[in-house]
Amino acid sequence: DGGITQSPKYLFRKEGQNVTLSCEQNLNHDAMYWYRQDPGQGLRLIYYSQIVNDFQKGDIAEGYSVSREKKESFPLTVTSAQKNPTAFYLCASQQTSGRDEEYFGPGTRLTVT
Amino acid sequence: RKEVEQDPGPFNVPEGATVAFNCTYSNSASQSFFWYRQDCRKEPKLLMSVYSSGNEDGRFTAQLNRASQYISLLIRDSKLSDSATYLCVVNIVGGSYIPTFGRGTSLIVHP
Repeated sequence: DGGITQSPKYLFRKEGQNVTLSCEQNLNHDAMYWYRQDPGQGLRLIYYSQIVNDFQKGDIAEGYSVSREKKESFPLTVTSAQKNPTAFYLCASQQTSGRDEEYFGPGTRLTVT
Repeated sequence: RKEVEQDPGPFNVPEGATVAFNCTYSNSASQSFFWYRQDCRKEPKLLMSVYSSGNEDGRFTAQLNRASQYISLLIRDSKLSDSATYLCVVNIVGGSYIPTFGRGTSLIVHP
């Protein structure tokens, strides 16, 4: 079955540690996105990538980093510089950037204490 | 002004009611439009695309009004299982096409 996988589903970290969230898709989609969602809030764009080896900052990129070395993979690193990292992180992919619907992974719920 | 705006609600309706949500967007060059459904603590899932001619899928009808720059979602004969947050998404034309989400409208259907 084609789809997007994110792992792990729940992640707990101590403050000051970097943590990397995995996102893999086998849909052969060009574009991939990372969003953050806080309780009762909408989705906010962190980073996006429209092609391998290229990515752009979204609205809230500070404290995050990404890479896109392979078409199917778009990992997100939450660094210690992110002041309030506890949130629900969603990865999505899209066949053609901007025109088509997005498909979402199941999300990773990160808790930093 | 936000690029995509939705009334967060909640809309609290009885089973069987008809309910409608609107979503306004500010960029007149927006390319494509979608409604997603998000259940609590889950990922958003595509409900339906919104075409210029409007489209219907069972109890759900989506419409686009380009002149007034809004999209709408109508749910007829509401079911308890329709309780969720409904997100509108507008793909904004810019240097690159970026999906832009509204904040979502919460719907609660009660017995």
